Amino acid sequence: DQQVKQNSPSLSVQEGRISILNCDYTNSMFDYFLWYKKYPAEGPTFLISISSIKDKNEDGRFTVFLNKSAKHLSLHIVPSQPGDSAVYFCAASARGKLVFGAGTILRVKS
Amino acid sequence: DADVTQTPRNRITKTGKRIMLECSQTKGHDRMYWYRQDPGLGLRLIYYSFDVKDINKGEISDGYSVSRQAQAKFSLSLESAIPNQTALYFCATSVLTGEGYEQYFGPGTRLTVT
Repeated sequence: DQQVKQNSPSLSVQEGRISILNCDYTNSMFDYFLWYKKYPAEGPTFLISISSIKDKNEDGRFTVFLNKSAKHLSLHIVPSQPGDSAVYFCAASARGKLVFGAGTILRVKS
Repeated sequence: DADVTQTPRNRITKTGKRIMLECSQTKGHDRMYWYRQDPGLGLRLIYYSFDVKDINKGEISDGYSVSRQAQAKFSLSLESAIPNQTALYFCATSVLTGEGYEQYFGPGTRLTVT
């Protein structure tokens, strides 16, 4: 039973446009949600997070939105750049343990 | 220098062999984790440790064991490797920030069991 789901295995976006990555979860007890980015041959790196008591968190080109009633979060990247091409993992935290989604491959075309 | 290091980076071993993957960190974090990544499944938690005397099983601990030798060191062992343990293994540390427990990952160990 997957508690965190990323239903889009891949996404292709033109440089300069918005990238929207989506994530759904099932467990109401998650207290934080995080996005990680992973390049080939490297470990995941932290991108942005949001507490369950908030509905939006912004950091430069990256914004995470949380809709608790729908148990849905999304990551917006504006404007998208070719260097953003990577695998993006959504993760949810409960008492310091993370549950990860399967990842979405983002390709930003120049 | 990397904050979280893993050795070896790549390993090929045969079925039935015992193998140890090592993780070291210089971040001074108490919490450490071992994950495996398989295609289409994301990262799954194998074991985690909140301090030197605290070891906990994750969702897929069968076939694995761990040792927390010091705050900075957390090793993962496969007592008798099997082919379906072929995967990418990541060690991570974590610290509480204003937005939850942020985790820092090592570069990964690619393990192949033949």
